[in-house]
Amino acid sequence: SQQGEEDPQALSIQEGENATMNCSYKTSINNLQWYRQNSGRGLVHLILIRSNEREKHSGRLRVTLDTSKKSSSLLITASRAADTASYFCATDARNSNYQLIWGAGTKLIIKP
Amino acid sequence: SQTIHQWPATLVQPVGSPLSLECTVEGTSNPNLYWYRQAAGRGLQLLFYSVGIGQISSEVPQNLSASRPQDRQFILSSKKLLLSDSGFYLCAWSVGALRDTEAFFGQGTRLTVV
Repeated sequence: SQQGEEDPQALSIQEGENATMNCSYKTSINNLQWYRQNSGRGLVHLILIRSNEREKHSGRLRVTLDTSKKSSSLLITASRAADTASYFCATDARNSNYQLIWGAGTKLIIKP
Repeated sequence: SQTIHQWPATLVQPVGSPLSLECTVEGTSNPNLYWYRQAAGRGLQLLFYSVGIGQISSEVPQNLSASRPQDRQFILSSKKLLLSDSGFYLCAWSVGALRDTEAFFGQGTRLTVV
């Protein structure tokens, strides 16, 4: 079943602007992960944030986690054309150590 | 460094034909291995995972099977493909449980059953 739900489904912005994507989930989690997928390619792990963390940074990426609202956001600052991709959030599953519950993704388009 | 190889990149197969997709991981020992399927515009659905040689767990009953004949080799198979088996198949690995760590993905195989 789908737990993570990304919002918006699609986002188109100008190069240089910031892009914010959101993810909501339904049950308690140990961690939440963000992945990027270029069209027709495999997924690339971006950031893993644990349930006891509130914010994490990696280069131009900033991820926040609000466990009280069961939501997370991914901010990409100073976007580049190469950031054009689909972005997925995934949470660990309560009843399995080996299952990630995936959202349907946000398709991000950066216009040059 | 660790790498994951998945092949072929694209595959067109007739209905009723067999399938074999292979995935190998380099640079790590005893990885957890996963097969996912991704429908167009959707998230990933876990098909199988393996925590060791010969150990396969199936998450979704279907026309597919998986095997792990060697520590770093994971194979997805079918004896007779159905049209509904078309999709994008992704192999992945992790060190430890996904409850605690991230997954690393191959480049995927686009399977079209005609």
